[in-house]
Amino acid sequence: QSALTQPASVSGSPGQSITISCTGTRSDVGGYNYVSWYQQHPGKAPKLMIYDVSDRPSGVSNRFSGSKSGNTASLTISGLQAEDEGDYYCSSYTSSTYVVFGGGTKLTVL
Amino acid sequence: EVQLVESGGGLVQPGGSLRLSCAASGFTFSTYIMNWVRQAPGKGLEWVSYISSSSSTIYYADSVKGRFTISRDNAKNSLYLQMNSLRAEDTAVYYCARKGVGGASFDYWGQGIPVTVSS
Repeated sequence: QSALTQPASVSGSPGQSITISCTGTRSDVGGYNYVSWYQQHPGKAPKLMIYDVSDRPSGVSNRFSGSKSGNTASLTISGLQAEDEGDYYCSSYTSSTYVVFGGGTKLTVL
Repeated sequence: EVQLVESGGGLVQPGGSLRLSCAASGFTFSTYIMNWVRQAPGKGLEWVSYISSSSSTIYYADSVKGRFTISRDNAKNSLYLQMNSLRAEDTAVYYCARKGVGGASFDYWGQGIPVTVSS
């Protein structure tokens, strides 16, 4: 099972919006509405930010939003803040095993 | 407050074995699906294994199938990962993670426990 494809890095200035893409196949991202996004700060455990493509867990800022089109899912962060800097991972249910993760995207807030 | 605390990690030689534990508290452990996820140094996340609430359904990543065994003891609120025939490529921080309300999301994670496979 190959990992989902994410850009290695993205950057933006405070207050701007950024989007991170996550590309899979019909066997994962394109076939199910079970895409999740996680934020990870250095040395910390991942934190769930988005589940089921676009739902936010309680306590997650509404600056984070998710969407999907075909085999590609996207995470958008609006009103970028310094605390948003970190690594972001997408994941999807997959028919072959259970879950596959993306390779991760490093977000830099300039 | 939901808490997941891993233990049992450390340094092991190639071909050796290790058993990880995850102690759960703050929720009704017996009703939740649990998973193990790992992260090699400087690398991304890799899902390892899944166990249903009653242990009736178990999945493994191809990379660990036949070598790792997931189990749980609902009476002890504990999750386990028995790792045999360890390889250098199994070196990683191992996280236990609770499946959330989403289709395949993990809403709570432990702090992680490092496992190093080296001679």
